[in-house]
Amino acid sequence: AQTVTQSQPEMSVQEAETVTLSCTYDTSENNYYLFWYKQPPSRQMILVIRQEAYKQQNATENRFSVNFQKAAKSFSLKISDSQLGDTAMYFCAFMKPSYSGTYKYIFGTGTRLKVLA
Amino acid sequence: DAGVIQSPRHEVTEMGQEVTLRCKPISGHNSLFWYRQTMMRGLELLIYFNNNVPIDDSGMPEDRFSAKMPNASFSTLKIQPSEPRDSAVYFCASSFSTGVPRTDTQYFGPGTRLTVL
Repeated sequence: AQTVTQSQPEMSVQEAETVTLSCTYDTSENNYYLFWYKQPPSRQMILVIRQEAYKQQNATENRFSVNFQKAAKSFSLKISDSQLGDTAMYFCAFMKPSYSGTYKYIFGTGTRLKVLA
Repeated sequence: DAGVIQSPRHEVTEMGQEVTLRCKPISGHNSLFWYRQTMMRGLELLIYFNNNVPIDDSGMPEDRFSAKMPNASFSTLKIQPSEPRDSAVYFCASSFSTGVPRTDTQYFGPGTRLTVL
């Protein structure tokens, strides 16, 4: 079974600095998808970035980028130029393509990030 | 475009009462998911629908929980009778699946915070 591990329960970063959130996963699949979701205090789950395992190029979305290391099964999120609005819980999620009825995301336990003024 | 809409945003009820949570998926999406989020168990998939048909309800905790999707634009999650341990944030998410293999991205609603006294 697939598992997703986020080993950093809490982190903090100064405004305008860069921070990296770690995520590791365990799977025997070769093709799969990885996601980072952001959950601010409003509780809304917001998609930050998506990575397809068969693509070697790391996904980037404005100030958010990932470091995808397939062999190491690592999928870290880098936030550059941190802003106060980045304060949130960040969840890493794994999904394998489904050819049948079963289809689900496996979520990590989350990392609470606080951006300090 | 409107995102996933959930109502109510907050619900406080007493043990034994019936609770109904509502969800309107993103227009055009054909899959809908119900999740529960607690501190102890994180994000858990309860049930998901594809084209209004329940596909996987293995995450539904017990018979007190039921979900329906009478049409493509509306779903309900009902708890009857409610218990204090049902207190959690319930999320609805939707996605658009183009067929197999499924690789669609899920978009979440703002959640309903349920408190059962």
